[in-house]
Amino acid sequence: EVQLVESGGGLVQPGRSLKLSCAASGFTFSNYYMAWVRQAPTKGLEWVASITNSGGSTYYRDSVKGRFTISRDNAKSTLYLQMDSLRSEDTATYYCTRETTLFDYWGQGVMVTVSS
Amino acid sequence: DIVLTQSPALAVSLGQRATISCRASQSVSISRYNLMHWYQQKPGQQPKLLIYRASNLASGIPARFSGSGSGTDFTLTINPVQADDIATYYCQQSRESPPTFGGGTKLELK
Repeated sequence: EVQLVESGGGLVQPGRSLKLSCAASGFTFSNYYMAWVRQAPTKGLEWVASITNSGGSTYYRDSVKGRFTISRDNAKSTLYLQMDSLRSEDTATYYCTRETTLFDYWGQGVMVTVSS
Repeated sequence: DIVLTQSPALAVSLGQRATISCRASQSVSISRYNLMHWYQQKPGQQPKLLIYRASNLASGIPARFSGSGSGTDFTLTINPVQADDIATYYCQQSRESPPTFGGGTKLELK
């Protein structure tokens, strides 16, 4: 059974950093692209970043380029999202997803609140 | 970016048919592949893949769900609607990067 379990969320002040983790199991992690998708409170879904299966290439939405870094450790079957210079508009639930041109499995999500 | 437009809400009676539409700002089809996908999200839960490439049922999804469409116009049909289907439904395109989602259609009981 595919499982994706996020951790690392919480309350953080604007301008500070936070790092999210996603532990994957039930599939060969190193064979798949992975992505982060977020959802602001009461809003829709928004793709944030993707990473190839080897980690050699990464892709970001414009609003997080230069502030967020997606990475992975295939030996640990873990996906990461380093979020720096956080803004209030980054407040959202962040979902770890397995990407195969679509998003076929999702974690339960982790809440990130950016507020002073 | 490709913009996907959905109606915000749809009211339906149990046992009836629900038709949810998604319109793309440009074609999301390549050759015979229609790169539009549908997700269901219940309150407090993560999204779940329902339909991939416009008309293919994801694993474990009941046959009362179906999808159709090509080019810029796509439809998710639920027939008959059951109480467990009350949720928000999102379309998503993978024709171009960045992948984009529709604003979601909240299915409500009439």
